[in-house]
Amino acid sequence: DQQVKQNSPSLSVQEGRISILNCDYTNSMFDYFLWYKKYPAEGPTFLISISSIKDKNEDGRFTVFLNKSAKHLSLHIVPSQPGDSAVYFCAASLISSNTGKLIFGQGTTLQVKP
Amino acid sequence: GAGVSQSPRYKVAKRGQDVALRCDPISGHVSLFWYQQALGQGPEFLTYFQNEAQLDKSGLPSDRFFAERPEGSVSTLKIQRTQQEDSAVYLCASSLGQLSYEQYFGPGTRLTVT
Repeated sequence: DQQVKQNSPSLSVQEGRISILNCDYTNSMFDYFLWYKKYPAEGPTFLISISSIKDKNEDGRFTVFLNKSAKHLSLHIVPSQPGDSAVYFCAASLISSNTGKLIFGQGTTLQVKP
Repeated sequence: GAGVSQSPRYKVAKRGQDVALRCDPISGHVSLFWYQQALGQGPEFLTYFQNEAQLDKSGLPSDRFFAERPEGSVSTLKIQRTQQEDSAVYLCASSLGQLSYEQYFGPGTRLTVT
């Protein structure tokens, strides 16, 4: 039972354009969502997060949008740069679990072409 | 400052051998997590420590998997009688507080069981 899903395995965009990565979840009790970026042979690196009480969080070129009614979140990268090419993971957390463990999606590979 | 480190980075084991994977979290981080990442998938939660106490081991796939953090800093994940399905990248993450959502990941140990 996949509670967090990233339905697009890959995405290719041109440098300077917008990249939109999507994530769906099934558990309405999730209270915090995060995006991680991963380069080959490295561990995931925290990128940006959003609490379930908000619908938008922005940090520089990165913006995360949360639509609770649709159980959907998205990561926008504007403008996209070649260095953004990596695997992006969406993750969710449930405070009632009392552990802070993260539940990850399968990942989306982003390629930004120069 | 130093991030999360893991050793070894790569481990090849013959089926039936025991292995031990080490994690050095960021100094002062209370929480420590182990995740397993199969090829093409997102990380999956294995176990959680708060200081030296193992508060959640619900993700450990079998009783062949054992984790410890005896002094509340370094942690070891041990896999006994390894099987081919244990082949994966094992990621360690730490976070500052008890329920800090932002987790900092190490580079992982790639385990291959032949």
